[in-house]
Amino acid sequence: GENVEQHPSTLSVQEGDSAVIKCTYSDSASNYFPWYKQELGKGPQLIIDIRSNVGEKKDQRIAVTLNKTAKHFSLHITETQPEDSAVYFCAASRGGGATNKLIFGTGTLLAVQP
Amino acid sequence: DARVTQTPRDKVTEMGQEVTMRCQPILGHNTVFWYRQTMMQGLELLAYFRNRAPLDDSGMPKDRFSAEMPDATLATLKIQPSEPRDSAVYFCASALVEGGARIKQFFGPGTRLTVL
Repeated sequence: GENVEQHPSTLSVQEGDSAVIKCTYSDSASNYFPWYKQELGKGPQLIIDIRSNVGEKKDQRIAVTLNKTAKHFSLHITETQPEDSAVYFCAASRGGGATNKLIFGTGTLLAVQP
Repeated sequence: DARVTQTPRDKVTEMGQEVTMRCQPILGHNTVFWYRQTMMQGLELLAYFRNRAPLDDSGMPKDRFSAEMPDATLATLKIQPSEPRDSAVYFCASALVEGGARIKQFFGPGTRLTVL
């Protein structure tokens, strides 16, 4: 069935460094790839997303890249700050019609050390 | 600032009791999702609704779980009878789906359920 693998499970960086989280998906029909940030005691919040017709998208310090051929996508956070510390989830979806299910990765706990 | 609300935020109950969790989606959203989050299984989709009609509940244990949308402003998830293995955080999310691929789901704060 559909599967999304996410690596690493934990990531510790120094403030100001970059952080990269990688995901691979199994369903070649997937065409929508959001990233969510979950802080302690809160629900996941959408931080950036990308569609399959785009290879890269950037929003300030956050960027996402997509390689459809290899079926993997990555989240890049530059100039990390302590407030970036959270659990990050990638997800994939076929989108469109009745199939709008998001298949989530297992999450990456990012710790930004001041 | 529109947001998804969930009640209760925390629930502690004893095995065998009925549990009802409620969700108010963002006004105007036509799709509601229920997720369960545990350390072992991560985020699992239990069920989702479009325009109040159930589209997929394949992730939900049918014998004890039920999900409904009595109206467009309320979604409920019931567990009867509850078991200790149901202990988890249950999230509701809503989205406005208009046929495109980009389905932005907005999550509520969750209900932390503990079954003793």
